[in-house]
Amino acid sequence: DAGVIQSPRHEVTEMGQEVTLRCKPISGHNSLFWYRQTMMRGLELLIYFNNNVPIDDSGMPEDRFSAKMPNASFSTLKIQPSEPRDSAVYFCASTPRESVYNEQFFGPGTRLTVL
Amino acid sequence: DQQVKQNSPSLSVQEGRISILNCDYTNSMFDYFLWYKKYPAEGPTFLISISSIKDKNEDGRFTVFLNKSAKHLSLHIVPSQPGDSAVYFCAASERNNDMRFGAGTRLTVKP
Repeated sequence: DAGVIQSPRHEVTEMGQEVTLRCKPISGHNSLFWYRQTMMRGLELLIYFNNNVPIDDSGMPEDRFSAKMPNASFSTLKIQPSEPRDSAVYFCASTPRESVYNEQFFGPGTRLTVL
Repeated sequence: DQQVKQNSPSLSVQEGRISILNCDYTNSMFDYFLWYKKYPAEGPTFLISISSIKDKNEDGRFTVFLNKSAKHLSLHIVPSQPGDSAVYFCAASERNNDMRFGAGTRLTVKP
């Protein structure tokens, strides 16, 4: 199994530009999570989906952030317009359907730099 | 609102000694606790977990202790090895899959 796949691995953009981060969860997993890691706040949960439906987006910092999961094998996190304070590492994680203990499998992350 | 707190941003330990990483939580509804380990340029990977019905879980060199009354858990690594150098995240969850992470503790094990 390839694990959780995220693209791009690195993104450098200028303030005001639109940024789209992509995630492919592990096949068969039914929950998907987007996190942001910063030095100050550690790992923050932004939003999570169960069976492609957004369940809790209370962690999304502002209206500039949006996430979609059009099918079980793909999700996007979009920032529009981007700002320098959005610079962070963004992780996607998925959970298997049969998991009782909510162990999450993380992708390698996307390092976003907004200049 | 940080429901899971790791108050030590870093810890340095000599190889062969014990590493103790601490974590506190505020939400009494959390019933499952996990530790994740993260190397640079990689995503966090699951290390060890404990259910709220237990107070200790051991897996090789790694042991997690849970003190529900104090809302505190700790991860013990003994003996510590240089390959254990990483960032360790404490996480807590209710059964609805909503997992909350601490800010992480960077462990450095010196040879």
